[in-house]
Amino acid sequence: GAGVSQSPSNKVTEKGKDVELRCDPISGHTALYWYRQSLGQGLEFLIYFQGNSAPDKSGLPSDRFSAERTGGSVSTLTIQRTQQEDSAVYLCASSSYGGTEAFFGQGTRLTVV
Amino acid sequence: SQQGEEDPQALSIQEGENATMNCSYKTSINNLQWYRQNSGRGLVHLILIRSNEREKHSGRLRVTLDTSKKSSSLLITASRAADTASYFCATDNSWGKLQFGAGTQVVVTP
Repeated sequence: GAGVSQSPSNKVTEKGKDVELRCDPISGHTALYWYRQSLGQGLEFLIYFQGNSAPDKSGLPSDRFSAERTGGSVSTLTIQRTQQEDSAVYLCASSSYGGTEAFFGQGTRLTVV
Repeated sequence: SQQGEEDPQALSIQEGENATMNCSYKTSINNLQWYRQNSGRGLVHLILIRSNEREKHSGRLRVTLDTSKKSSSLLITASRAADTASYFCATDNSWGKLQFGAGTQVVVTP
């Protein structure tokens, strides 16, 4: 595709369930980022993948959060045992390499009820 | 944690006026970028300024960078209603990790 694609666009889940959020970056981009944004707030860094290097996981808020990037392309962010405070928009971005112009997907709005 | 902090948090101006917002950051950077966000979804890249640059222009946008003060400013000239959005600065450390500030909400009224 021409841009970064995220799915689903919206997800409503019950507290305690696991969810998987998907990000398809722009083809050939070596850097991929995940951020979380609560209503009216800034972007909270979660995780950063750069090529084949070990990812920077320093922003993951708890061990319920994990992410992987298979084959240097598609990435999945998994949240286990969701809590109400996990409700937010999760944004994915990719760039040709780290630190250059980042292209964002439209995000996944997660609502935990 | 966030690397950049924008100021002001909110800005309301009339069409035709200029809008200025500032970004301060804490650690050394490779470059600083500005993004715009409409309606709380995906961000759009506006401009990138490298650490060895002091000023950059793109259309109605003017960005300055003062590495000695660890600060940057974004000026939007002759604002339009379509400029209503949230604006974020993002800093890149030596490893390429992009960290964003809390943003400035700009409202441009006709």
